[in-house]
Amino acid sequence: KQEVTQIPAALSVPEGENLVLNCSFTDSAIYNLQWFRQDPGKGLTSLLLIQSSQREQTSGRLNASLDKSSGRSTLYIAASQPGDSATYLCAVRPTGRRALTFGSGTRLQVQP
Amino acid sequence: EAGVAQSPRYKIIEKRQSVAFWCNPISGHATLYWYQQILGQGPKLLIQFQNNGVVDDSQLPKDRFSAERLKGVDSTLKIQPAKLEDSAVYLCASSLVVGSDTQYFGPGTRLTVL
Repeated sequence: KQEVTQIPAALSVPEGENLVLNCSFTDSAIYNLQWFRQDPGKGLTSLLLIQSSQREQTSGRLNASLDKSSGRSTLYIAASQPGDSATYLCAVRPTGRRALTFGSGTRLQVQP
Repeated sequence: EAGVAQSPRYKIIEKRQSVAFWCNPISGHATLYWYQQILGQGPKLLIQFQNNGVVDDSQLPKDRFSAERLKGVDSTLKIQPAKLEDSAVYLCASSLVVGSDTQYFGPGTRLTVL
């Protein structure tokens, strides 16, 4: 059974810092991995999607990497801003399934 | 492009009562998902539809939960009777069958069972 773990559970940083969020998964048989952002009282917004054959994806200040063999992914946020404050969720799509398995998320607070 | 719509946004009921949630996916999206997100946890898939057929309902508590997607568009999720542990946010998502693997999520329905 696929399990996804995110560390840390919560993180508070001052504005301007670069930061890394971690995600690990137990079964390397995945089709892809996604990072989502969730704001309080709102649904999830997809940030980056990495196919299993890819090593990283970039969008603006965000960079996500994938090491499928070791079951790890990181989300790098450069020059953090207060508007980045949210919960960040990692999810994998196991091979042969279309549904996602999610981690519990990292709650990020960027202090102005 | 309109996003995934869900209603109601909030619902408070007493245990043993019934409740229903509604979801309208993005137009043209054949795949629809219902997730349950308990406070402090990530979303957990309850049921996945492909058009109006069920693809995966392995984690749906079928003794109390039911879902349907008539005509392959809108979907309803029902809980009968509700238990305290059903308190959660119920998220609906949709995706294209081919071309894009990205799932688009609605705002969710927050259910409180007293």
